[in-house]
Amino acid sequence: ETGVTQSPTHLIKTRGQQVTLRCSSQSGHNTVSWYQQALGQGPQFIFQYYREEENGRGNFPPRFSGLQFPNYSSELNVNALELDDSALYLCASSFGTSGGSYEQYFGPGTRLTVT
Amino acid sequence: AQSVSQHNHHVILSEAASLELGCNYSYGGTVNLFWYVQYPGQHLQLLLKYFSGDPLVKGIKGFEAEFIKSKFSFNLRKPSVQWSDTAEYFCAVNARNTGFQKLVFGTGTRLLVSP
Repeated sequence: ETGVTQSPTHLIKTRGQQVTLRCSSQSGHNTVSWYQQALGQGPQFIFQYYREEENGRGNFPPRFSGLQFPNYSSELNVNALELDDSALYLCASSFGTSGGSYEQYFGPGTRLTVT
Repeated sequence: AQSVSQHNHHVILSEAASLELGCNYSYGGTVNLFWYVQYPGQHLQLLLKYFSGDPLVKGIKGFEAEFIKSKFSFNLRKPSVQWSDTAEYFCAVNARNTGFQKLVFGTGTRLLVSP
């Protein structure tokens, strides 16, 4: 167990709806990263939050947005859901300075199904 | 842009056989390298990491990996696999000095160890 928790475990939404996924980082960690893992693929980086600010983003459209709170927990919001958004969404927490070398610890993920 | 290639998508071995999983990355700068494992029904766990120094790194559960800079490779090895090593293995790379840590994953290798 890494101490990173995510909620909910599973979620089913309809195309066009909006969804919010939540992540509690491991105690002492100040950085949260979000990844999307489609079936049969490796995780793809969505964005990273460091000290409550987005400090890096992957190739995902603006309808993917996030927040990090003062306790370093985080939310991932996806608007106007599309069928291709169906995936496992992973949260990873870490402690490090911006751009430093450190490992990320992953949560169990939220399985999102868009119908 | 960084990319990671894992050459073997599925590997089947008998217990006590030796294991080597290939991983190559494309990026011209300095990188951090990781191997993560995902056991059935569990979250991604860090097996080992390379930041700098000795290119032969040892991880948990008897795994090791060797960073060969000239070949842009970071292959994972284990001398004698066990049934409990059945899992999916992901190689990941992070380009250093970008201001944030974005892990780029390969597509994964599914290892099945038969007793």
